[in-house]
Amino acid sequence: EVQLLESGGGLVQPGGSLRLSCAASGFTFSSYAMSWVRQAPGKGLEWVSAISGSGGSTYYADSVKGRFTISRDNSKNTLYLQMNSLRAEDTAVYYCAKDLGGTTVVTPGMDWGQGTLVTVSS
Amino acid sequence: DIQMTQSPSSLSASVGDRVTITCQASQDISNYLNWYQQKPGKAPKLLIYDASNLETGVPSRFSGSGSGTDFTFTISSLQPEDIATYYCQQYDNLPCSFGQGTKLEIK
Repeated sequence: EVQLLESGGGLVQPGGSLRLSCAASGFTFSSYAMSWVRQAPGKGLEWVSAISGSGGSTYYADSVKGRFTISRDNSKNTLYLQMNSLRAEDTAVYYCAKDLGGTTVVTPGMDWGQGTLVTVSS
Repeated sequence: DIQMTQSPSSLSASVGDRVTITCQASQDISNYLNWYQQKPGKAPKLLIYDASNLETGVPSRFSGSGSGTDFTFTISSLQPEDIATYYCQQYDNLPCSFGQGTKLEIK
């Protein structure tokens, strides 16, 4: 059974940093691209970033480019999202998701974590 | 970037009704479209991929159709457990983008 467990969310001041983690199990982690998708309170879904199975290719939404960095440690079956220069508009539940395809980034698929809440406020 | 326009934004229907949601892409996305269901406090659940393929384990009352720029999601006979918000999402190009969602309620 695929399991994705996010952690690292919390309250942070504007301009601060936070690192989210997503621990994966139940599948061959390095064989799948992974994504981060967020949802602001009461709002819709927004794709944030994705990374290929090897970690060699990364992609970002314009809203986070230059501030967020996606990475993965395939030896630890863990996905990361380093978030710097955080803004109030980054407040959201952040979900990690396993790709529908394989090692190449295609789209989030059927397996998502439960989400971790990031609140950016003074 | 590709914009996804979903309608209606909310919908009230009775148990047993046929429900239809539409999604329009700002450019041709072939059949690279997902439909998700999200219940309050839960992660989205993939129902349909490649515009019309039902994900394993998803009830057959859910279906999807369309290609190019115009897509349709249908629940053939609404059940109480179908109360949720539904999103379309394109993956023809990155950044993949979601529709704004359709909140489905029971009348």
